[in-house]
Amino acid sequence: NAGVTQTPKFQVLKTGQSMTLQCAQDMNHNSMYWYRQDPGMGLRLIYYSASEGTTDKGEVPNGYNVSRLNKREFSLRLESAAPSQTSVYFCASSVVFGSSGNTIYFGEGSWLTVV
Amino acid sequence: QKEVEQNSGPLSVPEGAIASLNCTYSDRVSQSFFWYRQYSGKSPELIMSIYSNGDKEDGRFTAQLNKASQYVSLLIRDSQPSDSATYLCAVNSLTTGTGFQKLVFGTGTRLLVSP
Repeated sequence: NAGVTQTPKFQVLKTGQSMTLQCAQDMNHNSMYWYRQDPGMGLRLIYYSASEGTTDKGEVPNGYNVSRLNKREFSLRLESAAPSQTSVYFCASSVVFGSSGNTIYFGEGSWLTVV
Repeated sequence: QKEVEQNSGPLSVPEGAIASLNCTYSDRVSQSFFWYRQYSGKSPELIMSIYSNGDKEDGRFTAQLNKASQYVSLLIRDSQPSDSATYLCAVNSLTTGTGFQKLVFGTGTRLLVSP
């Protein structure tokens, strides 16, 4: 059971380039999330998908787009990368969206550097 | 005021001692509280959840919640060098107007356990 799988693990981009981070979960979870983690800032929610077919903005959505391809897969796209998007990106999933008892499980992370 | 606050540390304890990690939160209606452990270069891993006032014990870990004081803590008994990591406090917070209960993370406390 792989849990939450993200690709690529490491990526270096030039300013203005685009790329897509892929995420898949095999836990039959309904909800999926993309977070970014920066030193001193903690984990911040970029976008989430409460269920297949829906997506919504989180705290820091600017510069990103997402696609919930099916129940398993949730991708994050950077259309025109900027140095401020250098970060560690975590995909996550949970069984139930927004429940007070919800537990979120994280993928292994994707280290992105924009030069 | 940050929604979830933690002392960044590092908190240094000798092997075998009790490590006490603290977290305060600002949203009075929060119902769910989580502690995640994150090793350097790895993803956050859930170690404890707590929903009611009082203590919850799981092996060497005890989570303590005081909703009146808006305070949650994690005690690690018989600390081991392998416990050296960053501990993230996370609190469910209701997003106004959407019904979405987002998980808000603190910036984490770095724990160092010396042999």
